[in-house]
Amino acid sequence: ETGVTQTPRHLVMGMTNKKSLKCEQHLGHNAMYWYKQSAKKPLELMFVYSLEERVENNSVPSRFSPECPNSSHLFLHLHTLQPEDSALYLCASSQSDSYTDTQYFGPGTRLTVL
Amino acid sequence: AQSVAQPEDQVNVAEGNPLTVKCTYSVSGNPYLFWYVQYPNRGLQFLLKYITGDNLVKGSYGFEAEFNKSQTSFHLKKPSALVSDSALYFCAVRALYSSASKIIFGSGTRLSIRP
Repeated sequence: ETGVTQTPRHLVMGMTNKKSLKCEQHLGHNAMYWYKQSAKKPLELMFVYSLEERVENNSVPSRFSPECPNSSHLFLHLHTLQPEDSALYLCASSQSDSYTDTQYFGPGTRLTVL
Repeated sequence: AQSVAQPEDQVNVAEGNPLTVKCTYSVSGNPYLFWYVQYPNRGLQFLLKYITGDNLVKGSYGFEAEFNKSQTSFHLKKPSALVSDSALYFCAVRALYSSASKIIFGSGTRLSIRP
């Protein structure tokens, strides 16, 4: 899984903390994604960036703030989270945001909100 | 509306036996279908996809899937299961003319292969 890396792999934070998740892709792709994976729920697409521009925001609360400074890096800034935000956060990338392009996933960040 | 269903939460198979993990979909227009696998504490790994052409798609680790338009299905199969195939499997669909980013994942099927 060296194609898409995510740091940290595990994160525990209080509801008043501010933290950031980092994703880096080494595949030369132009599209990047954030997903939330909760227990017993389907994978939820959060944000999509194509050529560093946000093209999708799936009604995600403002306590989640994405940033894509270049096509290789994607961040998810977190502040005043709730316990129900505890989940595995997955980053993915694809050549473009075309219908047929395969998405390649990172290992995820396991987030626990106390 | 676009949707995908994996009707089985868990599938149990003996090693060496054939396995099938079921997936059905509902889209307006032509579907683009994907299978991913997730091992514990790992992200999703791409197995195979159907875009167009031959209905039988071959993928990684000896897996294959058959696109059946009349039954709106895309079941994942393998002729002979290995213990190392035990993992969580996700089917996903995108449809032409929908938002390019609207990939929908199924809820996942846990595959357990017993020695």
